[in-house]
Amino acid sequence: DSGVTQTPKHLITATGQRVTLRCSPRSGDLSVYWYQQSLDQGLQFLIQYYNGEERAKGNILERFSAQQFPDLHSELNLSSLELGDSALYFCASSVRDSMIGELFFGEGSRLTVL
Amino acid sequence: GNSVTQMEGPVTLSEEAFLTINCTYTATGYPSLFWYVQYPGEGLQLLLKATKADDKGSNKGFEATYRKETTSFHLEKGSVQVSDSAVYFCALTNQGGKLIFGQGTELSVKP
Repeated sequence: DSGVTQTPKHLITATGQRVTLRCSPRSGDLSVYWYQQSLDQGLQFLIQYYNGEERAKGNILERFSAQQFPDLHSELNLSSLELGDSALYFCASSVRDSMIGELFFGEGSRLTVL
Repeated sequence: GNSVTQMEGPVTLSEEAFLTINCTYTATGYPSLFWYVQYPGEGLQLLLKATKADDKGSNKGFEATYRKETTSFHLEKGSVQVSDSAVYFCALTNQGGKLIFGQGTELSVKP
């Protein structure tokens, strides 16, 4: 158990809909990262937050947004969903802002768009 | 840009066989290099890391050496076990907030 909790574990929805994925980092970790894992694209970095502020942005679509709340949990919002958004979405956390340290991953939220 | 290339899987080995999973990278500057492992149904876990050239990371019998001259970070283990069956990801970072992964290599170890 990494200590990172993601909900829901599985989600099935239709095209055009909007979903919210939630992540609770390990106790004491200030950084939260979101990754998308799909068969064709592999593991893609989406976005990072550190202590409530956006720190780095990767290949995140404009239809997607995220935030980190004062209690440090994070949410990833996916809107106007398309079939190609079907993937496993991972949240990870780390103590610091730096990527030199270890990232702790949750078990992921599997999104299926029909 | 920065990228990581891993050998394609799946790799199928018998128990106690020698394992090598190749990883090469392209990066500016001096990246840190990582191997993560993903067991079925779980998230990724850090297996080992190296932060500068010639460093050797090691954990649970796995090793990898940071070779700047060949831009490689190959993963090795002398004797694999069935419990090592998983997907292995090579990754790098040289700026805060962006860990770049390879495509992953699936390893299957048969008894």
